[in-house]
This record gives sequence, structure tokens and C-alpha cells, in this order.
Amino acid sequence: GAVVSQHPSWVICKSGTSVKIECRSLDFQATTMFWYRQFPKQSLMLMATSNEGSKATYEQGVEKDKFLINHASLTLSTLTVTSAHPEDSSFYICSAHRDRGTGELFFGEGSRLTVL
Amino acid sequence: GDSVTQMEGPVTLSEEAFLTINCTYTATGYPSLFWYVQYPGEGLQLLLKATKADDKGSNKGFEATYRKETTSFHLEKGSVQVSDSAVYFCALRVMKVTFGIGTKLQVIP
Repeated sequence: GAVVSQHPSWVICKSGTSVKIECRSLDFQATTMFWYRQFPKQSLMLMATSNEGSKATYEQGVEKDKFLINHASLTLSTLTVTSAHPEDSSFYICSAHRDRGTGELFFGEGSRLTVL
Repeated sequence: GDSVTQMEGPVTLSEEAFLTINCTYTATGYPSLFWYVQYPGEGLQLLLKATKADDKGSNKGFEATYRKETTSFHLEKGSVQVSDSAVYFCALRVMKVTFGIGTKLQVIP
């Protein structure tokens, strides 16, 4: 099946620094990728829709200057958490569906961010 | 807005027991319904889906039927195994995908 890979799978950083998380579709092209955030004992919350070659579409309440999304190619989207603070600590998950596919979503393994 | 409600868990069962994880939803329009599974240390995987009322999705012994009249999509399995231990997410999609909170299943030998 289609594979989506995230890197890093976990990261610890100091408050005030920026962290970049990569999401790659390994064996298919994905014009659109999605970034989710998952809090403990809560559901996945859609943060933004990443569109190749254009600006991301952010959900209401998500700070676009805080969570920078770049979709530079058909197989790579990046999420940069800028000036991270402890409240940004969370589990970030990306997903993508294959271009010209069935619409099924394929998920990355997730990236756990801990901000000290 | 769209929402999905499912039991939080954890649900602990003995091997070969019958499993039901309830899922109900509210949605504008006509959603497609999904169950995703997340095994320890792995990403979410699609377990099964149903795209219209009365459809039954099935995979790996799991089943769920799209019940429009009760707005439900309960997940069932007749005999669980230790390897089924995971977190199960119910989800719907109209324009975007909306997830439930996930139900952790623990199957003990």
C-alpha cells in the first residue's frame, strides 16, 4: 500500500527555537497533504491543508505564522513550528491521498514534539 | 458542524471475546464513514469504510454497518485476538475528515 513517512518521529527542543517536521509520500504523488494535531485523550484536529505550489489553507484558530507549511513538491510537505513554546508540545500527524486515487487517506507515523 | 462520538476506553477484553465499539455521528450532507486503526508505534491505517446508508464495511474480521436512521457506525468483531490491541478511530468525511477521540482496545490472553 501507499506509504507516508514523517521525520523526525520525536523531537525535543528548547522554548523559543523552531522545529521542522517533514512529511513524504514515498511511492505516490500527493498534490494535497493534511496536517493534524493530536492532544492526549483527544481526537485528531485538522490544522491545515497543504497544497503543492500554493499557500496552505489553515483551519480556524490555527496561527499561520506559528505553524508554517511548505509544500515544495508533489511528495514533500513540511510543517515548521516557529518560536516553539511548551504549549506547542503535541503529536503532529500528516496524511495524504494519492493523486487520481480513490480518495483514501494514508497517514504518517506521527511526530511527537516536546518543548522544554 | 460535523462531529463523531465514540467511547473513550480503554476497553479490555479477553482473547476470543466479542467486540463492539460504538460510534455515532452528526454531519451536514451525506458523509462517508471510516474506521481507522493505530497499532502501537505506527501511523493510522484505514480498517474499513462505508460510503452510503446500509453499506457494510468489513476487513480482518471487523465489520461496521452504516446506519443512517440511528446515525451510527458501530465496529464489531466476533472473536478478538491479542494482535487486535490498538487504538480505533471512527471518522466521517463530507468535505474534510472529522475524527472521534479514539478507543483504546486491550486484548489479554
